[in-house]
Amino acid sequence: DGGITQSPKYLFRKEGQNVTLSCEQNLNHDAMYWYRQDPGQGLRLIYYSQIVNDFQKGDIAEGYSVSREKKESFPLTVTSAQKNPTAFYLCASRGTTGDNSPLHFGNGTRLTVT
Amino acid sequence: AQSVAQPEDQVNVAEGNPLTVKCTYSVSGNPYLFWYVQYPNRGLQFLLKYITGDNLVKGSYGFEAEFNKSQTSFHLKKPSALVSDSALYFCAVRALRNNAGNMLTFGGGTRLMVKP
Repeated sequence: DGGITQSPKYLFRKEGQNVTLSCEQNLNHDAMYWYRQDPGQGLRLIYYSQIVNDFQKGDIAEGYSVSREKKESFPLTVTSAQKNPTAFYLCASRGTTGDNSPLHFGNGTRLTVT
Repeated sequence: AQSVAQPEDQVNVAEGNPLTVKCTYSVSGNPYLFWYVQYPNRGLQFLLKYITGDNLVKGSYGFEAEFNKSQTSFHLKKPSALVSDSALYFCAVRALRNNAGNMLTFGGGTRLMVKP
C-alpha cells in the first residue's frame, strides 16, 4: 500500500539536544511538507519542498532544518534553538504544489522535550 | 493574507441527529477549500474539497459541505451523526505563497462529540 511513514511514533529528548524526525513516502509525490500541531492552534507549516534538493521555509521555520536529498525522504531536524519543541509533528505530501489534489498525511511523531 | 476560522472549539450532537461544523474563510481570488478529519494520535484524512462547480460537495463517510461565496463559508454537514464520527475536524483554504507554491492554511480545528 502506498503511503507516508513517520518514525518514531513517540520521541523523548532532553533539552539542548538536536533530534531528527523521519518521513518517507512511496507515493511518488514531488511535494512534501512538515506541519506542527499544538492544541487549539491547528496546523502550522514549518518547511516544504517542491522537488528534490529544494525546500522553502514555512510560517514557523526558526529552530528547524530539513533536507531533501531523495524524492521519497524529507527528514526534519528539531534543533536546540527551537524554544518550545514539544508538539505533534505531521509530515504530508502531494503530487505537486500546483495541483488541487489533497494532502496525504503520515500518522505523526509526538515529540516531548524535557 | 489568507485565513480560516472555525468559530466552535467543540460541537456536541446526539447520534442520529444532523450535524454542522462551521468554517469561514478569507482569501484573495477564488478559494479552494478542503475538510480533513483527525482521529486521536493519527494524521489528517481528507474528507472533501471544493474547487469549482456545484456549491454542494459530497465527500467520504456521508459528509457534505456547502460553499457559500457571499457568506465566505464552507460548513461541513451530515444528515445523521454516528458515534464513530467523533473526531477533530479541520477546514483549510489554499493560499498562494510568493507565487512559488500553493499552500494550505488550516483552521484551528473543531472537536465533534457524538453521544449515543
